[in-house]
Amino acid sequence: KAGVTQTPRYLIKTRGQQVTLSCSPISGHRSVSWYQQTPGQGLQFLFEYFSETQRNKGNFPGRFSGRQFSNSRSEMNVSTLELGDSALYLCASSLSSGIGTGPSGANVLTFGAGSRLTVL
Amino acid sequence: AQSVAQPEDQVNVAEGNPLTVKCTYSVSGNPYLFWYVQYPNRGLQFLLKYITGDNLVKGSYGFEAEFNKSQTSFHLKKPSALVSDSALYFCAVRDSYTGRRALTFGSGTRLQVQP
Repeated sequence: KAGVTQTPRYLIKTRGQQVTLSCSPISGHRSVSWYQQTPGQGLQFLFEYFSETQRNKGNFPGRFSGRQFSNSRSEMNVSTLELGDSALYLCASSLSSGIGTGPSGANVLTFGAGSRLTVL
Repeated sequence: AQSVAQPEDQVNVAEGNPLTVKCTYSVSGNPYLFWYVQYPNRGLQFLLKYITGDNLVKGSYGFEAEFNKSQTSFHLKKPSALVSDSALYFCAVRDSYTGRRALTFGSGTRLQVQP
């Protein structure tokens, strides 16, 4: 069973540019979450998509956006890149949305290897 | 609100000795608790989770964690550490009662196992 696939693995951009990162979840998983990992801030939640709908959003500026396609694949976009956007961006998939009360909150997230973005 | 704290940035232990990585949490209702491990240049890998029931949870690679409700803790343990256990460990929590909460991660603890 293939894992969560993120592309590209590494990329270098300059300030002001935009970037699109892609995530293919495990087959059958309908929920995709995105996290930003930096040495200073740790793991911060960006957003979660389930059935092509954004279910939850973290405290990031509007420059960060995402979407999910009908095959559950997801993309996130960062526009007008800043130096502080340099980070490892992690995508995680799960069977169902963890949002909401009840057992779905205990769903395990399966993470991809991440996309490491460097902004110069 | 939900939060999780990992009070130690780094834990050093000799190979063969028991290890403990500490985690405390705060939630409004009952917690769902998780431990993940991250190796260099890799994503996070799931180790174990607590939902309800037995306070001692067994997970992958010989790891276990003890849930303590009165101390709001969920410490990760292993009876005998291996050099290959050296990695970054994250505790995470989600409140089972709130409707719109993503998984919240702690700041991570780097485990260094010396040969």
